[in-house]
This record gives sequence, C-alpha cells and structure tokens, in this order.
Amino acid sequence: DAKTTQPNSMESNEEEPVHLPCNHSTISGTDYIHWYRQLPSQGPEYVIHGLTSNVNNRMASLAIAEDRKSSTLILHRATLRDAAVYYCILLNNNAGNMLTFGGGTRLMVKP
Amino acid sequence: EAGVTQFPSHSVIEKGQTVTLRCDPISGHDNLYWYRRVMGKEIKFLLHFVKESKQDESGMPNNRFLAERTGGTYSTLKVQPAELEDSGVYFCASSFRTGLSASEQYFGPGTRLTVT
Repeated sequence: DAKTTQPNSMESNEEEPVHLPCNHSTISGTDYIHWYRQLPSQGPEYVIHGLTSNVNNRMASLAIAEDRKSSTLILHRATLRDAAVYYCILLNNNAGNMLTFGGGTRLMVKP
Repeated sequence: EAGVTQFPSHSVIEKGQTVTLRCDPISGHDNLYWYRRVMGKEIKFLLHFVKESKQDESGMPNNRFLAERTGGTYSTLKVQPAELEDSGVYFCASSFRTGLSASEQYFGPGTRLTVT
C-alpha cells in the first residue's frame, strides 16, 4: 500500500478552522484518499474520502492537490469534540478494502 | 439504526486461557472487518469477511486466532491460548459495499483485552 505522512500533532483554537495535511507522494491512480478519526476511548470514525476532486460533507472538507500527492482535511470550525487522532489512509479497491492506519495526527483543541 | 456493537467491552484473562470476542455488525452490512491495536502500536488489520466467507485473513497473527461468521451475521474472534502480547484493543467494523469507491467502514467501540 502507498504510504502517507502526517504531522504527529497539531493544535487549534476552538471555533477556528483547522487544516490537517497529508502527504502521499507515491499514490497510484486507483488509490482513494480516506480520512478517519479516533476520539478518545472510541473506535475509529469515518470522516470523508475522495479521489481527485475536492469533497465536502457535514463533518469536513477534503482538498486534494492537483497532482494528488497531498491532501488537506479541513475542519471549518473546530470544537472541543473534534479533539482526536486523524488518520489519512490510501485505499485501493484492487488490493482489498482493509484500512492501513499509520500514526495519524493528534489534534488538540484549546478553548 | 444501531451501530456496530462489540462484546465484552473489557476482558481480563490469564495467559493460557481462552477468550471469545463478539461483533454484531450493522444490519445489512455484508462486509465485516477485525482490527486490533496492541500497546503502543498502530491499529492493524486482522481479517475481512464478506458475508460468511473469509475474503482476506492476511493480518491474522498466528493460528491461536480463529475468526468465524456463521450465517453471515455476527462474528466471533477466539484467542486460544491467549498470550501476554495479545493484550490490546480489538475493533470490529462493517461496511455496506465494496467496489469502486469502497464505502466507509463503521467501527465498534472495541474490546479491551488484557492478558495477565
């Protein structure tokens, strides 16, 4: 599986936007970019995914670079409940559907 | 709609004993996955069921682990005999479909297994 690189941790202030970066320079044409997050003492939770175009949903936005070698998860207004570990994962359906979790980015939100 | 449920939430057993973890996926989800996080490590894939069939069990660590999904509904993961290094959190996830964009996986809260 293609690997992703994320910062170990980031800090944000409550009610401010957060941009979580992910580098995936070896991404292949059939890799989808998925984001999951894990809140304390819970199982991972799906956030968003995309292939080439930017995506929006009720939780977040996903901005994908034109060359697809990087992406950014955008939380428009961070809340204390968004404090979690965020995982950027490449998923290639041709290679199975298992999620390969890296270390993720631990997001801390300050009130 | 009920989410993915796992039982028990926490299990403490002695080395050499047997433990069975249960996962109930979301109704109608054909795909069921097991993952685990052992202490200090990243979450790792164990195996994937499509209905009652094992689609991929490449992540199963050894033959002390046995997963079943009789009838394509709930699944069990048995560890026999348990070893100290099996301690960790075991997550189950389910998804509706696979295919072009692989639908999202819904995770349960996990079972924390402690082997003493």
